[in-house]
Amino acid sequence: DAKTTQPTSMDCAEGRAANLPCNHSTISGNEYVYWYRQIHSQGPQYIIHGLKNNETNEMASLIITEDRKSSTLILPHATLRDTAVYYCIVLYQGGKLIFGQGTELSVKP
Amino acid sequence: NAGVMQNPRHLVRRRGQEARLRCSPMKGHSHVYWYRQLPEEGLKFMVYLQKENIIDESGMPKERFSAEFPKEGPSILRIQQVVRGDSAAYFCASSLDHGEAYEQYFGPGTRLTVT
Repeated sequence: DAKTTQPTSMDCAEGRAANLPCNHSTISGNEYVYWYRQIHSQGPQYIIHGLKNNETNEMASLIITEDRKSSTLILPHATLRDTAVYYCIVLYQGGKLIFGQGTELSVKP
Repeated sequence: NAGVMQNPRHLVRRRGQEARLRCSPMKGHSHVYWYRQLPEEGLKFMVYLQKENIIDESGMPKERFSAEFPKEGPSILRIQQVVRGDSAAYFCASSLDHGEAYEQYFGPGTRLTVT
C-alpha cells in the first residue's frame, strides 16, 4: 500500500502557482519523498525528490515540513501542459516505487 | 543524452502467443525496473534487475512472466501464452544506482493489446 495521502483532484488557473499537498505521517528517517507526474498515458516523469531539506529545480519546488509528516509540491507558474496526475511517493522497500492514486491536476485557462 | 527507450511502443498479440517487450536504460544506468499499468488503474511494480541478475521479482506473476537483463543488450520482459488480462501498458524505468536517493527515469511504455 502507498504510504501517502493526496487529494483526488485539484484545479489551478493558468499562470498561477499550483500547490499540491501530500501527507506521509508514517515516513521513517531514511525514506525520501518523491514526486512524479503522468501526463495522459505517457510514462511517468520524474519531478523532484527530497529527504529533509526543501528542494528546488527547474520544474518545481518541494517543501517538506520539519517533522517530515507532510510535503507540498509547488509548480510556480502552472501552464496547460502541467495538467496531469501527480504522484507523491515515499520510496522504501529497496527502491520499489509504490504508486497511489495521485492528484489529478487540471490547469484551466 | 537519450532517455529510456522501449520498443515496440504498441504490440498486438492473439491469445496464446508470446509477447517480448524491450527496454534500453539510460546511458550509464545499470538498474532496470518494470511496472505495469492496467486500464484505469495505477502503476504496479513488477521486477527489479541489475545486469545479469534479478534482484526483486515480488510483483511479477508467478506463471508465464519472466524478465532478464543480459550483460549486453536491452532488458526483456517476456510474457508467454498471453491472455486478455495481460492487456496493459508496461513501463520500464532505469536508475544510476539503487537506493532511496536515486531517481528512476521512465520510458514511454509499451501498450500490449491481447485480442
